[in-house]
Amino acid sequence: GAGVSQSPRYKVAKRGQDVALRCDPISGHVSLFWYQQALGQGPEFLTYFQNEAQLDKSGLPSDRFFAERPEGSVSTLKIQRTQQEDSAVYLCASRAGTGVFYEQYFGPGTRLTVT
Amino acid sequence: AQKITQTQPGMFVQEKEAVTLDCTYDTSDQSYGLFWYKQPSSGEMIFLIYQGSYDEQNATEGRYSLNFQKARKSANLVISASQLGDSAMYFCAMSPDSNYQLIWGAGTKLIIKP
Repeated sequence: GAGVSQSPRYKVAKRGQDVALRCDPISGHVSLFWYQQALGQGPEFLTYFQNEAQLDKSGLPSDRFFAERPEGSVSTLKIQRTQQEDSAVYLCASRAGTGVFYEQYFGPGTRLTVT
Repeated sequence: AQKITQTQPGMFVQEKEAVTLDCTYDTSDQSYGLFWYKQPSSGEMIFLIYQGSYDEQNATEGRYSLNFQKARKSANLVISASQLGDSAMYFCAMSPDSNYQLIWGAGTKLIIKP
């Protein structure tokens, strides 16, 4: 079956613009995660959904970041009034179950560059 | 504190040799999962292998094996017969029962020399 897909793959935004990043998880996967990855570093957790419920948003760096998954499938990460420090790769991952013993499958990421 | 430590920022290995990538972890949870991911220069994060905290046998997946030493809190990745295509960043990660997220190490950049 299809893996996790993300769009767009690349996004250039001028400082102050709003952006929306989309994630299509693997069909039937209950759990969905967003991560931010700076160059040369490991991913940093942003937020977690179980179905449509956002159970953890402790990693969102500011109130300019907002994520939703209204029907428990596709998710959108929105960044308002982008700043240069938002430049990073944004990774989406989905997981079949909710327990610790399920691996997460990642999409190709969206590389955001804020100029 | 829950933490993953990868002490090797970079490694060079001759093609066809075996390589061990180190990973130690810290958690007070009894139930947790340990994962290794590969990230080539293309950027996609590829799942390699998984070990559960209650698993008594070391996990193996093809050329990948996980050397799990619970008492030492280590979960080293062993790649046998390395290939040029193994050149990539490798991340160790932990999923503790008390936390939804994956806790990630800083990664090891592996370069396979022909």
